Amino acid sequence: DGGITQSPKYLFRKEGQNVTLSCEQNLNHDAMYWYRQDPGQGLRLIYYSQIVNDFQKGDIAEGYSVSREKKESFPLTVTSAQKNPTAFYLCASSIEGVDTGELFFGEGSRLTVL
Amino acid sequence: AQSVTQLDSQVPVFEEAPVELRCNYSSSVSVYLFWYVQYPNQGLQLLLKYLSGSTLVKGINGFEAEFNKSQTSFHLRKPSVHISDTAEYFCAVSATDTGRRALTFGSGTRLQVQP
Repeated sequence: DGGITQSPKYLFRKEGQNVTLSCEQNLNHDAMYWYRQDPGQGLRLIYYSQIVNDFQKGDIAEGYSVSREKKESFPLTVTSAQKNPTAFYLCASSIEGVDTGELFFGEGSRLTVL
Repeated sequence: AQSVTQLDSQVPVFEEAPVELRCNYSSSVSVYLFWYVQYPNQGLQLLLKYLSGSTLVKGINGFEAEFNKSQTSFHLRKPSVHISDTAEYFCAVSATDTGRRALTFGSGTRLQVQP
């Protein structure tokens, strides 16, 4: 079945460590997104990419980095510079040619900093 | 830029009762509107969307929403809820003429259906 796969589902890290969250899609979608979810704050956009080898900062990009070397993959690195990284991270994709913004989501990755 | 306000953070309701989850948006241009549902520790699933045409939109699981341009609202309704509808619901908007296609989300409404 087509979809978006995020891994790992749960991740623990110590302060000062970088961690990379994986996001893979087989929907043949051009655009991919990373959102952060905190209780009571909804979803906030971290980074997005509309095409391979190109990406843009969202509203809360500080302390995060991404790459888009392949159409199917959009990994997110949470660096030690991110002051409050404990959160639920959601990856999404959309069909570039259908200009509505509708998103398809993965199951999420929950990061806890110890 | 656009923004979304979900007026209720939590809505408790009894099973088989009707429910309305409120959503207001702010935008200087025309928008597309969406409602998503999220079950615990899962991703978001699209309930329904308004792109154009009829202002009353029907979605999955018996939900519907009405686009009101003059009041900049897109409230979600269901005439009779089930226990299984307990979840968090997010309203989202994207502008029709922006190069940035990422959705802007509201803060969410937690629907708690009680027996």
